[in-house]
Amino acid sequence: ELKVEQNPLFLSMQEGKNYTIYCNYSTTSDRLYWYRQDPGKSLESLFVLLSNGAVKQEGRLMASLDTKARLSTLHITAAVHDLSATYFCAADRGFNKFYFGSGTKLNVKP
Amino acid sequence: DAGITQSPRHKVTETGTPVTLRCHQTENHRYMYWYRQDPGHGLRLIHYSYGVKDTDKGEVSDGYSVSRSKTEDFLLTLESATSSQTSVYFCAISGAQATGELFFGEGSRLTVL
Repeated sequence: ELKVEQNPLFLSMQEGKNYTIYCNYSTTSDRLYWYRQDPGKSLESLFVLLSNGAVKQEGRLMASLDTKARLSTLHITAAVHDLSATYFCAADRGFNKFYFGSGTKLNVKP
Repeated sequence: DAGITQSPRHKVTETGTPVTLRCHQTENHRYMYWYRQDPGHGLRLIHYSYGVKDTDKGEVSDGYSVSRSKTEDFLLTLESATSSQTSVYFCAISGAQATGELFFGEGSRLTVL
């Protein structure tokens, strides 16, 4: 079974600061995904990383994938309050079977 | 937005009663999933389907069964609900095998008393 671990689980940061969320997974997976969830809402897709070395950026968020280290990172640049949410990573066990991490609850303080 | 509808959106039931949650999609996607979300556990895969009548277990499948008789519908059944199955249940779909991106429904909140 594929285990996906995120850290930190909680992150409180000031606006304007930078930080990184880490996602480790236990077995080989060439595909890694990041999702965002606002309180009481569903999940929306942020990034799809399909190969080793893949890097995707959208606004203040940048995601990368290192399949050899079994590690993905979500980097936040100059955080703003609107980024406050819970962020999940998910890895593919194969055959489109996806396993999620526990999530990182991000709170950006003004 | 992906066309995914979950029903019911909220349900309160008693221990020992059967419960069925329905996921309906209008995207004609091949893959459908049921996840449960609990504090501290993220999303855990219950069952998924890779085609009509083709299903597979996830990491927390005990106490749950699924059926998919049509491409558009994926049913999750709790034969005899227990308090430990109180959770928020999300259906998801994926059509592109190459990317595997998931699209989620709005969730169904189930409370078992």
